[in-house]
Amino acid sequence: DQQVKQNSPSLSVQEGRISILNCDYTNSMFDYFLWYKKYPAEGPTFLISISSIKDKNEDGRFTVFLNKSAKHLSLHIVPSQPGDSAVYFCAASLNAGKSTFGDGTTLTVKP
Amino acid sequence: DADVTQTPRNRITKTGKRIMLECSQTKGHDRMYWYRQDPGLGLRLIYYSFDVKDINKGEISDGYSVSRQAQAKFSLSLESAIPNQTALYFCATSDTKSDRDYGYTFGSGTRLTVV
Repeated sequence: DQQVKQNSPSLSVQEGRISILNCDYTNSMFDYFLWYKKYPAEGPTFLISISSIKDKNEDGRFTVFLNKSAKHLSLHIVPSQPGDSAVYFCAASLNAGKSTFGDGTTLTVKP
Repeated sequence: DADVTQTPRNRITKTGKRIMLECSQTKGHDRMYWYRQDPGLGLRLIYYSFDVKDINKGEISDGYSVSRQAQAKFSLSLESAIPNQTALYFCATSDTKSDRDYGYTFGSGTRLTVV
């Protein structure tokens, strides 16, 4: 049973607009959530994280929102740039343990 | 040099052969992980190690074994490779004190094909 789900395999947005990537989870015990970005032929790289005690964390153009009651988090990228085109993975961890990853969403930002 | 180095980058092997994938890191991290990615799917955990004397199975450990030779080295072995182990394999590291704020550091991956 997949505990972390990214239901949209792909997303296409215009340069300068907002990109919103979504992630749902089933285990209410997860206490930390992370986003990674992956370019082809490279390993994933850490982007941003959020603790379950917060509902928002911001780092430059990237903001992660957490809705615990809905077991849902989202990553907002504003403004989107062509260099943001990549696969984005949502991950969740429990008690400082290992992370569980979603299947990823491929973001394409069109110039 | 990369913080996390995986060797080889690509490998084609025959069914039934034993193969080892190697991972070394210069981050000084205590935790190391092996993940597998299949097309269109996320990263699934094979094995993980929180320190040199600690080895744990992940969600898909059958058919795999690991060895943590030193804090900096974590190798993954396929004792008898089978075609459905064809995948992209990633090694990752993290630091116990900071992995929630800085996440994992991944290697560039090993693309393994079993024919």
